[in-house]
Amino acid sequence: DQQVKQNSPSLSVQEGRISILNCDYTNSMFDYFLWYKKYPAEGPTFLISISSIKDKNEDGRFTVFLNKSAKHLSLHIVPSQPGDSAVYFCAASSNTGKLIFGQGTTLQVKP
Amino acid sequence: DAGVIQSPRHEVTEMGQEVTLRCKPISGHDYLFWYRQTMMRGLELLIYFNNNVPIDDSGMPEDRFSAKMPNASFSTLKIQPSEPRDSAVYFCASTTANYGYTFGSGTRLTVV
Repeated sequence: DQQVKQNSPSLSVQEGRISILNCDYTNSMFDYFLWYKKYPAEGPTFLISISSIKDKNEDGRFTVFLNKSAKHLSLHIVPSQPGDSAVYFCAASSNTGKLIFGQGTTLQVKP
Repeated sequence: DAGVIQSPRHEVTEMGQEVTLRCKPISGHDYLFWYRQTMMRGLELLIYFNNNVPIDDSGMPEDRFSAKMPNASFSTLKIQPSEPRDSAVYFCASTTANYGYTFGSGTRLTVV
């Protein structure tokens, strides 16, 4: 049972445009959500997070939106850069502290 | 700070053999997690420890998998006997009592 789902395995975007990565979850007990970025042959690294008491968090070119009623969150990258090409994982946590990850979305930003 | 250190980086073994993956967490981190990455399921949590004690091993796929954390600076994930479907990248991560996981670079396991 996949509690965190990323239904798009891949996404291709032109440099300078907006990249939107989506994530859905099923467990209403999740109260903290994160995005991780992963380059080949490296471990995932933390990118941005959002608490369930907020609906938006922004950090430079990266913004995460949370829609609790729809159990949906998204990551917006604008403007997209070729260096953003990587696998992006959505993750969620409840008070247990353990992170549940999605399947990942491979983003390719074309120059 | 050297980060989370995993060894080996790559492991190729024959079906039926025992495989041991190793992890050294960041000093001072009291949580340690073992994840497995596959194309179908993404990053699956296998087991995690708090202060060297296993807290949740519900993600361990079968009895062939076992994990230990004998002290705060070392953990192992063992597969015995290994099977081709165990082929994946295995990640170790550590954190303090917050959400800032730090991942190692992973061990790519291939069972032939």
